[in-house]
Amino acid sequence: DAGVIQSPRHEVTEMGQEVTLRCKPISGHDYLFWYRQTMMRGLELLIYFNNNVPIDDSGMPEDRFSAKMPNASFSTLKIQPSEPRDSAVYFCASSWDRGAGELFFGEGSRLTVL
Amino acid sequence: AQSVAQPEDQVNVAEGNPLTVKCTYSVSGNPYLFWYVQYPNRGLQFLLKYITGDNLVKGSYGFEAEFNKSQTSFHLKKPSALVSDSALYFCAVRVIGYQKVTFGIGTKLQVIP
Repeated sequence: DAGVIQSPRHEVTEMGQEVTLRCKPISGHDYLFWYRQTMMRGLELLIYFNNNVPIDDSGMPEDRFSAKMPNASFSTLKIQPSEPRDSAVYFCASSWDRGAGELFFGEGSRLTVL
Repeated sequence: AQSVAQPEDQVNVAEGNPLTVKCTYSVSGNPYLFWYVQYPNRGLQFLLKYITGDNLVKGSYGFEAEFNKSQTSFHLKKPSALVSDSALYFCAVRVIGYQKVTFGIGTKLQVIP
């Protein structure tokens, strides 16, 4: 398996623009997680899905953020409109409901909002 | 609520010396505990986990960790550090029966040649 695949790896945009980040989890995994990493706040869980259904979105900062998982092999995280404080690295991770369920992370999408 | 504390922002160790990266946790319930490593501009990689049983768990690249229930700690160790071990290390916790994983702030390990 190719692992968790995220795109784009880098995104530079201007304040007010819409940003869409994409994730393909590992085939067979039941859970998908979106994390945000910043120097100040470390790794923050934004939202996670189980079998394509959002389970906990309490970490989503505000209404400008939305996430969807239309099928088992694809998820998106959208920011509209984007703001400079959204600049961060966004990680997608997946896991299965077996054992301890360790997470498998993608390489991340580095977002810079000017 | 669950939380993880990594008290050291950075740990410096000479190559060949043993290393320890500290982690304490707080959960309501029985925990699963994890260590992950992150190299620059990369995603986190799973190193090892504690589920149950033996308090000393072994993982990738010669790392091990010791679970101490009374001290609620899960310190990462390696007998002999390599320069290539220099990276950011994250401790994480999950309560059994729940999927939400909480990460510590991370500890930067610097192995000096």
